[in-house]
Amino acid sequence: ETGVTQSPTHLIKTRGQQVTLRCSSQSGHNTVSWYQQALGQGPQFIFQYYREEENGRGNFPPRFSGLQFPNYSSELNVNALELDDSALYLCASSLGFGGGTDTQYFGPGTRLTVL
Amino acid sequence: DAKTTQPNSMESNEEEPVHLPCNHSTISGTDYIHWYRQLPSQGPEYVIHGLTSNVNNRMASLAIAEDRKSSTLILHRATLRDAAVYYCILRDRDDKIIFGKGTRLHILP
Repeated sequence: ETGVTQSPTHLIKTRGQQVTLRCSSQSGHNTVSWYQQALGQGPQFIFQYYREEENGRGNFPPRFSGLQFPNYSSELNVNALELDDSALYLCASSLGFGGGTDTQYFGPGTRLTVL
Repeated sequence: DAKTTQPNSMESNEEEPVHLPCNHSTISGTDYIHWYRQLPSQGPEYVIHGLTSNVNNRMASLAIAEDRKSSTLILHRATLRDAAVYYCILRDRDDKIIFGKGTRLHILP
């Protein structure tokens, strides 16, 4: 059973550019969630996808968008990058059976630096 | 906003038990209590969860107060590898995870 993988590991962009981060879910998982973690803070929920449909969104502007593919891998896209977007971006996959008991499995994250 | 309150940091000696407290006074009847931890330079990892009864697994124990307004994560014998940020989280049927700042646990050799 493979775990959650993310690519790239590190990324440096300049303000105004666009970025795409990728996540490969754990085998058998149909739900993926994305989080932003600023330095010294807990992860902040961006959005969740269940079977290719967005299934909840946190307090992030529309320039943060996502996709989930039929194989349940996922992308996070951020347009018009701002300096405050510099953070660790985490994805987590789960079985998505709900009810408050679902365990999320996190990837190692992508460290994005915006200059 | 996170619905839990945890101390910012705690220290413990290696090979001794560690009790990490969490207050969740506004917990609803359908909220599960989850604990995750984040080791340095890694993503968070699941530790344990429970609803009403105390729970044990290979990593830790979870003690839940009778009124469910607080809980305690117990590491029975801390090792240096347990140094991490520990997050106490309430999860309802929507299943979204709202992280707080967690407790940074330092283990002293």
